Amino acid sequence: GENVEQHPSTLSVQEGDSAVIKCTYSDSASNYFPWYKQELGKRPQLIIDIRSNVGEKKDQRIAVTLNKTAKHFSLHITETQPEDSAVYFCAASKVEMEYGNKLVFGAGTILRVKS
Amino acid sequence: GAGVSQSPSNKVTEKGKDVELRCDPISGHTALYWYRQSLGQGLEFLIYFQGNSAPDKSGLPSDRFSAERTGGSVSTLTIQRTQQEDSAVYLCASSPQGHSTEAFFGQGTRLTVV
Repeated sequence: GENVEQHPSTLSVQEGDSAVIKCTYSDSASNYFPWYKQELGKRPQLIIDIRSNVGEKKDQRIAVTLNKTAKHFSLHITETQPEDSAVYFCAASKVEMEYGNKLVFGAGTILRVKS
Repeated sequence: GAGVSQSPSNKVTEKGKDVELRCDPISGHTALYWYRQSLGQGLEFLIYFQGNSAPDKSGLPSDRFSAERTGGSVSTLTIQRTQQEDSAVYLCASSPQGHSTEAFFGQGTRLTVV
């Protein structure tokens, strides 16, 4: 089955700097790669996602890149702000009508933005 | 409701007791998922419902775990004879359809087995 590894486990950056979190996946059939942000005690919330037919996607300060050949994808946050501090999870799935969108998650990255 | 609702938000139970966790998905969402999040870990898939049927139960860790969904809406996750290793946050998510990508998560139920 799919296996997702995420690095680093913790990341501290100065406010205004960029943050990069990387994930690798094992199943070449995976076709959907979301990133979730989870603040302490709250539900995970989707912040950006990418499908396998796209190499990069941006949404304001957040971008995701996908390298299908190497089976890795990355989250890039520019101009970090204290409110970006949270746990970030990457995930991979093979979206199919029969089996739905079963997400396999990485272990998470604790991002701390120091002001 | 406006979002996915789970109850209870917290549950403390004694080892060996049975517990039921409830998930009320977003109205009209046919796909429903249960995940488990252990302390400091990522989310682990448990089961997927499409309507009232469960085409993928591959993540249920043992036969002490079961889930059902009725009326294509509310789902309950039952853990029998709870063990300390069952302590975790149990999260439910729903999507409009099985092949929809975005999953909307509930707040979760924090289960503590003492």
